[in-house]
Amino acid sequence: GAGVSQSPSNKVTEKGKDVELRCDPISGHTALYWYRQSLGQGLEFLIYFQGNSAPDKSGLPSDRFSAERTGGSVSTLTIQRTQQEDSAVYLCASSLGGGRAPDTQYFGPGTRLTVL
Amino acid sequence: DQQVKQNSPSLSVQEGRISILNCDYTNSMFDYFLWYKKYPAEGPTFLISISSIKDKNEDGRFTVFLNKSAKHLSLHIVPSQPGDSAVYFCAARGLQGAQKLVFGQGTRLTINP
Repeated sequence: GAGVSQSPSNKVTEKGKDVELRCDPISGHTALYWYRQSLGQGLEFLIYFQGNSAPDKSGLPSDRFSAERTGGSVSTLTIQRTQQEDSAVYLCASSLGGGRAPDTQYFGPGTRLTVL
Repeated sequence: DQQVKQNSPSLSVQEGRISILNCDYTNSMFDYFLWYKKYPAEGPTFLISISSIKDKNEDGRFTVFLNKSAKHLSLHIVPSQPGDSAVYFCAARGLQGAQKLVFGQGTRLTINP
């Protein structure tokens, strides 16, 4: 079966431009997560979607960051007016969700974002 | 405020020997701990986990130990193989029932032939 897929794999943009990153979770997974990994750092939580519930946005670093999940499947992370400090690998993960434990998260390959 | 810490950025071990990766955490509310393995240009892959009610979980060559009083966990790989060379991340879950994971900075393990 297909795993989590992300596109694009690499994105180079100029400071001040907007970017959209896409995540296709594993079919049947109700939970979806976005993390980012800056150079030499661990993964930093950004946002979490669980079914139709309101997303947990507690990790978004600023109001330039937003995410949506359409139809309970595909998710898009949008970064407006990109800054150089936004350069990182953005990772998406999905899990079966529904409050079960353990709820193993499966990660996509990530999108490497470079802001010039 | 780094709630999950991996103090060794790198570790080099000879093939066949035991690899021990360490992780410390500060928040006693974490209820579940996981180890992920990451190869370059790939996403992290789940390796092994442990609930806070246990002190050991074993899966083949991989064993995770949890010492709650010390807020410390470790991953043992024995015997180490060249394919184990990767970055290993420790992660914790469970603050107020949240599903999000809090990750350490990672340890790069290199297995030498």
